[in-house]
Amino acid sequence: AQKVTQAQTEISVVEKEDVTLDCVYETRDTTYYLFWYKQPPSGELVFLIRRNSFDEQNEISGRYSWNFQKSTSSFNFTITASQVVDSAVYFCALSEAGDDKIIFGKGTRLHILP
Amino acid sequence: EAEVAQSPRYKITEKSQAVAFWCDPISGHATLYWYRQILGQGPELLVQFQDESVVDDSQLPKDRFSAERLKGVDSTLKIQPAELGDSAMYLCASSLERGSTEAFFGQGTRLTVV
Repeated sequence: AQKVTQAQTEISVVEKEDVTLDCVYETRDTTYYLFWYKQPPSGELVFLIRRNSFDEQNEISGRYSWNFQKSTSSFNFTITASQVVDSAVYFCALSEAGDDKIIFGKGTRLHILP
Repeated sequence: EAEVAQSPRYKITEKSQAVAFWCDPISGHATLYWYRQILGQGPELLVQFQDESVVDDSQLPKDRFSAERLKGVDSTLKIQPAELGDSAMYLCASSLERGSTEAFFGQGTRLTVV
């Protein structure tokens, strides 16, 4: 069965600090996709990244970076030098190959304090 | 920039009343999804369309919920009768084709049932 666990319900950090959001997933498939989405107060889900199960290279995009480790079934997300605009709920998600359904975690609410 | 359009943004309705939400996906996107997001939770798939056909409605409470995409473009999700537990954000998403896994989400309709 597919499952995504985001153990951190809520995190608060002071602006300019680095913060890591944890994500652990479960799947029986060998081919799958992992995602991170951002949900600002306005409500829409903003796509941040998609990673397929065969690509374990870490990715960096500006202040954002992602650490994918199949050995621990984790796909963690780090924001470097956080800014107030990063305040949002962040969702980790999983989709198995051949199944379009995206399974979301419960989300981590991130507060960046000025 | 192309986006998924949803209306209304907010809806308050009394229990036992009927309510409907509308979604217009990105032009050319064959796959359309309706998700429900209960406060404090991640989105959960209600129904998936491929063109005008339902691909997956296993999580749709069919005794009160219905969804259609008659011409394979825009879609309507209806609840009749609404219950207090239906209060949630209803998100529509679209993707170019099945299996693309790159879904784009609309801003959602926040439903409050009183």
